[in-house]
Amino acid sequence: DIQMTQSPSSLSASVGDRVTITCRTSQTITTYLNWYQQKSGKAPQLLIYAASSLQSGVPSRFSGSGSGTDFTLTISSLQPEDFATYYCQQSYSTPRTFGQGTNVEIK
Amino acid sequence: EVQLEESGGGLVQPGGSLRLSCAASGFTLSSYWMHWVRQAPGKGLVWVSRINSDGSNTNYADSVKGRFTMSRDNAKNTLHLQMNSLRVEDTAVYYCAREVDRTPGRWFDPWGQGTLVTVSS
Repeated sequence: DIQMTQSPSSLSASVGDRVTITCRTSQTITTYLNWYQQKSGKAPQLLIYAASSLQSGVPSRFSGSGSGTDFTLTISSLQPEDFATYYCQQSYSTPRTFGQGTNVEIK
Repeated sequence: EVQLEESGGGLVQPGGSLRLSCAASGFTLSSYWMHWVRQAPGKGLVWVSRINSDGSNTNYADSVKGRFTMSRDNAKNTLHLQMNSLRVEDTAVYYCAREVDRTPGRWFDPWGQGTLVTVSS
């Protein structure tokens, strides 16, 4: 199984801050890496697919980068509605493993 | 609108069984691989199982292998997850998700709203 290491597990940030979350995989997955946002009590929603492609309807302040084993999700200017938990997921092989999640909190 | 809606969750005693369903609408279910993902209270997302488009192939997480069975009825646009020999540690919200497989990758979209399974005596 491919192991996912996501960091940090939580962070505190202010509105307008630039936020970066990283995800590292235990083996190369080319660009089969997705990012999801989950708000409290809600289902996850797709933000970024294939490492860097922005899902339709997702604000352009979200971006993804990376390939191989190292990936990054960046929020360029944090907005109040962005406080949530973010998960990376690899879709290179089965099982489709997830990172442990990053909880983005208000400072 | 593309939608998934789970049902069938509830309270069950350890060792009991439960059958979850996931109703699909707004798209042709038979064109997609489908997955179940679960989330224990306060914890992260954990992949549970997947089924290919015609139902002929399934895969399971080691933690549920031999106890859970995933199936689909494409004619009725419905997925099922039969859960037997339930354990306290199976307590979670269970989500069904559609896997889109399209260059340049594969991703889950959409997800259902989830159904809560509680295993407790």
